Amino acid sequence: DAKTTQPNSMESNEEEPVHLPCNHSTISGTDYIHWYRQLPSQGPEYVIHGLTSNVNNRMASLAIAEDRKSSTLILHRATLRDAAVYYCILRLNYGGSQGNLIFGKGTKLSVKP
Amino acid sequence: ETGVTQTPRHLVMGMTNKKSLKCEQHLGHNAMYWYKQSAKKPLELMFVYNFKEQTENNSVPSRFSPECPNSSHLFLHLHTLQPEDSALYLCASSQDLQGAGGYTFGSGTRLTVV
Repeated sequence: DAKTTQPNSMESNEEEPVHLPCNHSTISGTDYIHWYRQLPSQGPEYVIHGLTSNVNNRMASLAIAEDRKSSTLILHRATLRDAAVYYCILRLNYGGSQGNLIFGKGTKLSVKP
Repeated sequence: ETGVTQTPRHLVMGMTNKKSLKCEQHLGHNAMYWYKQSAKKPLELMFVYNFKEQTENNSVPSRFSPECPNSSHLFLHLHTLQPEDSALYLCASSQDLQGAGGYTFGSGTRLTVV
């Protein structure tokens, strides 16, 4: 499986934007970039995913570098409820075992009031 | 509620007990998964089912036995576990193995083996 590298932890202030980086220098052309987050005492939650173009949804934005070797998850206004572990995952875009979600250690985001 | 329901939320069992974890989804998803999350370790994929058929066993010891009677239900039968099996067990589902719409996870069962 292609690997991703994320900082172990980050801090943010409430109502400020947060940029969570992810490096994936060995990404292949068929790998999608997925982001999940896990709040305390809960299972992971899907946030967003993309292939080449930047993506936006109600939760966040995903900015993908032109060479696709890195990406950034953007939370436009952090709230206390955004404190979680954020996982950046590469995933092949077809079925079979190669399509499974394989989690790394993620980035633990703390949000200060 | 995410649409994936796991029961029980907490379970304490002895090493000689037999217990089962249950996962249920009514999202119309055809693929279901068991993950294990131990303290300070990443989530580990255990089993994958697609249309009730097991498609992957990620080298899981035989004391863990999955069962998928239909696309909506997934069980994990436990017997003669070890203390190191204590962990959060998470169930997930997706529309299919491609998972284009993402995975939906349950809240997990916190298992303690004594």
